[in-house]
Amino acid sequence: GQQVMQIPQYQHVQEGEDFTTYCNSSTTLSNIQWYKQRPGGHPVFLIQLVKSGEVKKQKRLTFQFGEAKKNSSLHITATQTTDVGTYFCAGPQGGSEKLVFGKGTKLTVNP
Amino acid sequence: ETGVTQSPTHLIKTRGQQVTLRCSSQSGHNTVSWYQQALGQGPQFIFQYYREEENGRGNFPPRFSGLQFPNYSSELNVNALELDDSALYLCASSSRGQIPNSPLHFGNGTRLTVT
Repeated sequence: GQQVMQIPQYQHVQEGEDFTTYCNSSTTLSNIQWYKQRPGGHPVFLIQLVKSGEVKKQKRLTFQFGEAKKNSSLHITATQTTDVGTYFCAGPQGGSEKLVFGKGTKLTVNP
Repeated sequence: ETGVTQSPTHLIKTRGQQVTLRCSSQSGHNTVSWYQQALGQGPQFIFQYYREEENGRGNFPPRFSGLQFPNYSSELNVNALELDDSALYLCASSSRGQIPNSPLHFGNGTRLTVT
């Protein structure tokens, strides 16, 4: 079945450093979504990308959707301690409403 | 706007028992999805309900079943609990419409421990 893979699994950074997580799907995606889960919390929707090559920004966060719509990335500029958490990408399986989540990238930020 | 609420927050059950988890969807949302999240893993899709009918199912055995009610709230039932069923169970509501795969709004989850 469809697989969504994320790397790295863990990332430790000093506050102020940049951070990037990558997401790759085994199949072409109609769209991709990103979620953030704080420690002890639940996933919170960040953004949805639909178009090939799409780039969207949310303050210090930049999201990209690959030209082939099989990969995506999330880049955080100048990390802050509030960025701590696990970032998940998720894509629909086939044409269904089922979202397949990656295993996530756990970000820790040292102050 | 009322968010997604789940109950109970924590639950301890014995292997072989049955459990029912409950979820109230966010106001204005007509679709409920259930996910299982093991420690250190991403959420795994169990099933989705739309218009009170199951609309898609993941790789979970039939002992995982659900219901959606006319007010869009939902239940997840698990029979014959196994140790591996210990996980965080997340309910997510969304508004199914013209946009495919509309964003999921998750509840805080129910932490189930099977001993």
